[in-house]
Amino acid sequence: DTAVSQTPKYLVTQMGNDKSIKCEQNLGHDTMYWYKQDSKKFLKIMFSYNNKELIINETVPNRFSPKSPDKAHLNLHINSLELGDSAVYFCASSQGVAGLAKNIQYFGAGTRLSVL
Amino acid sequence: AQKITQTQPGMFVQEKEAVTLDCTYDTSDPSYGLFWYKQPSSGEMIFLIYQGSYDQQNATEGRYSLNFQKARKSANLVISASQLGDSAMYFCAMRDKDDYKLSFGAGTTVTVRA
Repeated sequence: DTAVSQTPKYLVTQMGNDKSIKCEQNLGHDTMYWYKQDSKKFLKIMFSYNNKELIINETVPNRFSPKSPDKAHLNLHINSLELGDSAVYFCASSQGVAGLAKNIQYFGAGTRLSVL
Repeated sequence: AQKITQTQPGMFVQEKEAVTLDCTYDTSDPSYGLFWYKQPSSGEMIFLIYQGSYDQQNATEGRYSLNFQKARKSANLVISASQLGDSAMYFCAMRDKDDYKLSFGAGTTVTVRA
């Protein structure tokens, strides 16, 4: 069983479309994250949810909206896709407890988004 | 603000030899964690090893060990007895005690030669 699973693995779409990426974890973790990896492989946090509450919201265009229906799921919806949104998006989860440095984040396999 | 620096964009290593990947970091928080991840060509991010800032011993996990030099703010990853399957990109990351997010370095690509 995959611990952190993302769907789809590949997403090719036209500019202006709206798309969603789904993420589910079966690790019993209470914190989930979205990271973006750009074409130079640089990874940057976008959002994080702890127990369905948004705790990190980096400088991300408001076309990106995360939604966490429960602790095990964190979806990412993107409106009006632009060429610059092309990247690999990673979902991750951890047993997030503030004050504990040892808080290993486990990543999904990534979703490669290509906007044409 | 945290900053992670990986100065080696790419490295070649002969099979069965050891390789050291450099990572330096900067933080004002005395309590933090350091992590290394592996990203093979298939794209997934695989957790390798963790070091806490207050850990007395260097972390080891199988063929991976972390050379932690706190005063120098470095956390180098050592891969011993390299295998062809170790060819991948390796990321150093850090998290402060009260911060949920990981901050990543730019990564180092390792190519293992037969």
